[in-house]
Amino acid sequence: KAGVTQTPRYLIKTRGQQVTLSCSPISGHRSVSWYQQTPGQGLQFLFEYFSETQRNKGNFPGRFSGRQFSNSRSEMNVSTLELGDSALYLCASSLPWEGYGYTFGSGTRLTVV
Amino acid sequence: GENVEQHPSTLSVQEGDSAVIKCTYSDSASNYFPWYKQELGKRPQLIIDIRSNVGEKKDQRIAVTLNKTAKHFSLHITETQPEDSAVYFCAASKTGTASKLTFGTGTRLQVTL
Repeated sequence: KAGVTQTPRYLIKTRGQQVTLSCSPISGHRSVSWYQQTPGQGLQFLFEYFSETQRNKGNFPGRFSGRQFSNSRSEMNVSTLELGDSALYLCASSLPWEGYGYTFGSGTRLTVV
Repeated sequence: GENVEQHPSTLSVQEGDSAVIKCTYSDSASNYFPWYKQELGKRPQLIIDIRSNVGEKKDQRIAVTLNKTAKHFSLHITETQPEDSAVYFCAASKTGTASKLTFGTGTRLQVTL
């Protein structure tokens, strides 16, 4: 079965711009989580969505937001990009009410210049 | 919130030797402990996980042990092979609604010939 699909794979943006990243979870998975991976901070939790509702949120500024659609696909948006937002953004899906067996997508590599 | 510490940050072993990576967690309510392997330029892949009602789990050359009292868990890889070279991340979470993974900082394992 298809895995978690993230688009685009690579993105270069200018400081101050905004960006939208997309994630399609494994079929049947209704929980989608987003993580930021950087060499300095490692893997950090951004937020988690289930049934179009944000259920959990990490310690990131309000410039980071997301949403989930009725087909469980999720988007993440970062506004007013800063150089420090350069990172690999990973999406993970899992079965709801369990939180087991998170499967990650290949990520979107965002570079802010 | 949860805090996960991981040691060592780098580990070099000879092919055929064993490798052990250790993690400690702070939140006694955490009940799910997965391990992820991330090869260069690729997504983190779940290699083994353990729930808090189990003390040890094994899958071929990989095993994970959990000590709930001491709040630490370890990954054991036996008969290491060059393809085991990667970065390994431990994580902890409380399952159920609004679950999220808190990751350790990673261990770069290098298996030399």
